[in-house]
Amino acid sequence: DGGITQSPKYLFRKEGQNVTLSCEQNLNHDAMYWYRQDPGQGLRLIYYSQIVNDFQKGDIAEGYSVSREKKESFPLTVTSAQKNPTAFYLCASSRLAGLGLDEQFFGPGTRLTVL
Amino acid sequence: DQQVKQNSPSLSVQEGRISILNCDYTNSMFDYFLWYKKYPAEGPTFLISISSIKDKNEDGRFTVFLNKSAKHLSLHIVPSQPGDSAVYFCAASAIIQGAQKLVFGQGTRLTINP
Repeated sequence: DGGITQSPKYLFRKEGQNVTLSCEQNLNHDAMYWYRQDPGQGLRLIYYSQIVNDFQKGDIAEGYSVSREKKESFPLTVTSAQKNPTAFYLCASSRLAGLGLDEQFFGPGTRLTVL
Repeated sequence: DQQVKQNSPSLSVQEGRISILNCDYTNSMFDYFLWYKKYPAEGPTFLISISSIKDKNEDGRFTVFLNKSAKHLSLHIVPSQPGDSAVYFCAASAIIQGAQKLVFGQGTRLTINP
């Protein structure tokens, strides 16, 4: 089955620790995205990547870092510099057909709680 | 600066009736509008979209209407079913620096009552 997997589903972290969230897709999509969702708010874009070894900051990139060494994988590191990291993190991917709308498909999410 | 707004945090509808979810936007650059459905602790799933050059798109029980002059879109679900209970996000798409970006509203929690 084609899709996007995120692991782990729940993650707990102590303050001051970095933590890496995994995102893998087997849809052969070129573009991948990381979003953050907070209660009562919409999804906000953290980082995105349109091609291997290249990525761009989204609207709320501070305190986060990413890498795109493989087309299938786009891990997100939440660093100790992120002031309010407790949130639900969603990874998405899409084609880059350039012909109208390229629908974004989402993974199941990772809920990060900082203790 | 909220470019996409869903002003109703929640909506309750009787099963079998019509559900109408609303969304307003401020940026005329958006070229597509989408609706996503989200269950708790899951990722959003795509429901329906509309191009900015259309005013209506229909898919089964779901219809999206776009009023460009009012910068307003709505999602109609008819008839509403218990499985439609979820949070619905409106999103707007724009090409910015060569990349397609989505801007999401805050979401509306729809509850279908039996």
